[in-house]
Amino acid sequence: GAVVSQHPSRVICKSGTSVKIECRSLDFQATTMFWYRQFPKQSLMLMATSNEGSKATYEQGVEKDKFLINHASLTLSTLTVTSAHPEDSSFYICSARVGDTEAFFGQGTRLTVV
Amino acid sequence: GQNIDQPTEMTATEGAIVQINCTYQTSGFNGLFWYQQHAGEAPTFLSYNVLDGLEEKGRFSSFLSRSKGYSYLLLKELQMKDSASYLCAFMDSNYQLIWGAGTKLIIKP
Repeated sequence: GAVVSQHPSRVICKSGTSVKIECRSLDFQATTMFWYRQFPKQSLMLMATSNEGSKATYEQGVEKDKFLINHASLTLSTLTVTSAHPEDSSFYICSARVGDTEAFFGQGTRLTVV
Repeated sequence: GQNIDQPTEMTATEGAIVQINCTYQTSGFNGLFWYQQHAGEAPTFLSYNVLDGLEEKGRFSSFLSRSKGYSYLLLKELQMKDSASYLCAFMDSNYQLIWGAGTKLIIKP
């Protein structure tokens, strides 16, 4: 299957700082990338959908100024958590899709804000 | 509206068979997916059904009935490593994935 690489896998940051998470499709060009967050024992919650070269579409309740998404190329999307707070601590997962095929997931990023 | 439902938790014995059910409601449907997710890791793809019937892949099989809005994942010859959460998700008319909350499967020796 296709490979999606997400980096970093774990990050600890201080409250008030910003953290950038990268999501790369290694062997295919992803027309659409999705960003999810997942709290313990809960399902994936879609945060936003991004298409290459256009602004991301955010789900209701997700602050676009806090969670900045950039999809600069067909193989790279980034999520920046700005002015992070402890309540932003979560598991963030990206997935990439080509056309209407299945979604391929990155390894996920465990963010802890202290 | 759209919704998807699966049991929260199931327990089974090593070497046995377990069936995890998933029911859904949607006006537009473009297939149903099953993913496995171990604690602390991202989901990994197991199966995709878009037509009615059973798809077999090794120890795992997935079934779909579109008229009933019903799918199941069948795991045979259970191994301890199969302990994980199993997520079902359907793809709607906009090709967005709608996720269930996941079924935590506990395997006992």
